[in-house]
Amino acid sequence: QVTLKESGPVLVKPTETLTLTCTVSGFSLSNARMGVSWIRQPPGKALEWLAHIFSNDEKSYSTSLKSRLTISKDTSKSQVVLTMTNMDPVDTATYYCARMSCSSTSCPRGYFDYWGQGTLVTVSS
Amino acid sequence: DIQMTQSPSSLSASVGDRVTITCQASQDISNYLNWYQQKPGKAPKLLIYDASNLETGVPSRFSGSGSGTDFTFTISSLQPEDIATYYCQQYDNLVFTFGPGTKVDIK
Repeated sequence: QVTLKESGPVLVKPTETLTLTCTVSGFSLSNARMGVSWIRQPPGKALEWLAHIFSNDEKSYSTSLKSRLTISKDTSKSQVVLTMTNMDPVDTATYYCARMSCSSTSCPRGYFDYWGQGTLVTVSS
Repeated sequence: DIQMTQSPSSLSASVGDRVTITCQASQDISNYLNWYQQKPGKAPKLLIYDASNLETGVPSRFSGSGSGTDFTFTISSLQPEDIATYYCQQYDNLVFTFGPGTKVDIK
């Protein structure tokens, strides 16, 4: 059974750094046809992709947020960590981690087939 | 980066109606287009991948088509449990992009 679970602070202050952890089970972070992304959703707004880490440790980031984001993984712990620096109230959102899978003919172009429940992070002083 | 647009942004239809949502990419993405359903307070759920492939367990009233820059998502007979926001998503050159979403409700 595949599961993903986000953990981290529910409240951060402006200018602080946010660190979120995604703990996965039911699959390996070293699986060549899988990866993990972080995606967020401000209240009442659309989904916004933030960052992705591939099985070979290659990383990719949202162009608009690249300077503030770092994604990493610990395969032995089945965890993917996202850090976002210089938090602002506009970063208030539900943050999801999601597993990306791809078919043998489409990799690395993939789809998010499993999602965590999401964690609401509020940025306020 | 490739930009995604969806239309309409919202729609209201009756139970049993055929519902169609379109998604357009700013450049050719072949058939690498996915569709998700998100109900209030819940995580998104994958419905269609690679433009037209139905995810396991998803009812057959959902379907997708298209290639290149223009894609269509269809609910053949709208059910009350289909009330949700629907998003398209693509991947190109290390960047994933979601469309702005289409909110579907019952008339």
